[in-house]
Amino acid sequence: GQQVMQIPQYQHVQEGEDFTTYCNSSTTLSNIQWYKQRPGGHPVFLIQLVKSGEVKKQKRLTFQFGEAKKNSSLHITATQTTDVGTYFCAGRKGGSEKLVFGKGTKLTVNP
Amino acid sequence: NAGVTQTPKFQVLKTGQSMTLQCAQDMNHEYMSWYRQDPGMGLRLIHYSVGAGITDQGEVPNGYNVSRSTTEDFPLRLLSAAPSQTSVYFCASLGRKNTEAFFGQGTRLTVV
Repeated sequence: GQQVMQIPQYQHVQEGEDFTTYCNSSTTLSNIQWYKQRPGGHPVFLIQLVKSGEVKKQKRLTFQFGEAKKNSSLHITATQTTDVGTYFCAGRKGGSEKLVFGKGTKLTVNP
Repeated sequence: NAGVTQTPKFQVLKTGQSMTLQCAQDMNHEYMSWYRQDPGMGLRLIHYSVGAGITDQGEVPNGYNVSRSTTEDFPLRLLSAAPSQTSVYFCASLGRKNTEAFFGQGTRLTVV
């Protein structure tokens, strides 16, 4: 079945350092989404990427979708304590409504 | 517009008991799903539904039943709770293709 692998599982950084999480799918995706879950909360949608090679930015966050539409990354520049949480990627295969999530990357930021 | 409403927020069950986790959405979304979240395991899909009257199994369906009699509601039933079902459960809904998923607040279930 469709699998979405995400690394690293955990990342601890000093405030101001950069952070990147990577997502890889075993199959070509029709789109990929990114979510953030704050401690004790529920996943909240951040962004969706649809086109091959697409790059989108949200302030300090940069999202990329690979040319083959099998991988994606989320990069945070100059992390802040408000970035703490678990970041999930979620992929959809063409023709399917099912959304498959990666295991997530838990980010902690030391002030 | 409440979005996705999950109840209860917390529940403690004894082994062998049954219960139903409720999920309702008011966005007229066709697709609804249930996930469980365990430490280090991410969000694992239990069951999903692409519309009223249609359900299908996800990655970890054993021990759980679902039904979808209306577009709005997608309850998750535990027929005979086991300690391995201790987890945080999330219901999510989304519209047609290329839309975001909206999650409920989650149900923290403990089976003793």
